Amino acid sequence: DVKVTQSSRYLVKRTGEKVFLECVQDMDHENMFWYRQDPGLGLRLIYFSYDVKMKEKGDIPEGYSVSREKKERFSLILESASTNQTSMYLCASSLPSGRGTDTQYFGPGTRLTVL
Amino acid sequence: AQKVTQAQTEISVVEKEDVTLDCVYETRDTTYYLFWYKQPPSGELVFLIRRNSFDEQNEISGRYSWNFQKSTSSFNFTITASQVVDSAVYFCALSGGTNAGKSTFGDGTTLTVKP
Repeated sequence: DVKVTQSSRYLVKRTGEKVFLECVQDMDHENMFWYRQDPGLGLRLIYFSYDVKMKEKGDIPEGYSVSREKKERFSLILESASTNQTSMYLCASSLPSGRGTDTQYFGPGTRLTVL
Repeated sequence: AQKVTQAQTEISVVEKEDVTLDCVYETRDTTYYLFWYKQPPSGELVFLIRRNSFDEQNEISGRYSWNFQKSTSSFNFTITASQVVDSAVYFCALSGGTNAGKSTFGDGTTLTVKP
């Protein structure tokens, strides 16, 4: 079974703090994703990584950065958290298109509140 | 660009009723994948089914069935004899072609099954 874990289920931070959200997968997947989920807006892609140290901006990268130093770990960084970044953050992983079928496997999510 | 539309924002049914969740997609690619994911109240999206664009055969898995029609660009999901445990947010997604490796998600349909 694919396992994707996220460092926290719930997180409360203050405006201006630097926030790290960690995601780890154990299936040797090349692709990893960070999404943000807000009511009525579905899933919006923040960043996508297709290999170690490789990243690609998604639909809403502003205010976020990412780090992928190891294949199994993909970190989302909020350099200076703001209240409009209060949201549910979902991490996912998948095999690359050439070897897989784009099926994504999701972590349990981190509900971040910025006060 | 790819697009997925789930016109039903919320559906409420009584247990044992049948319910169909609609999904309409747009793509110019000839090769693509369609998915359904379930997100229960716990928050983790769970993969339900994947179809590729060359396989229009409908699929049944227990109480779940899927109807893929390329002629109408639809990939509808039916739950027969719904149960309270079916209450969740359901997402339809599209990947492949020019969007290989990434998925475009619909906004989701929230299904509530009342006892």
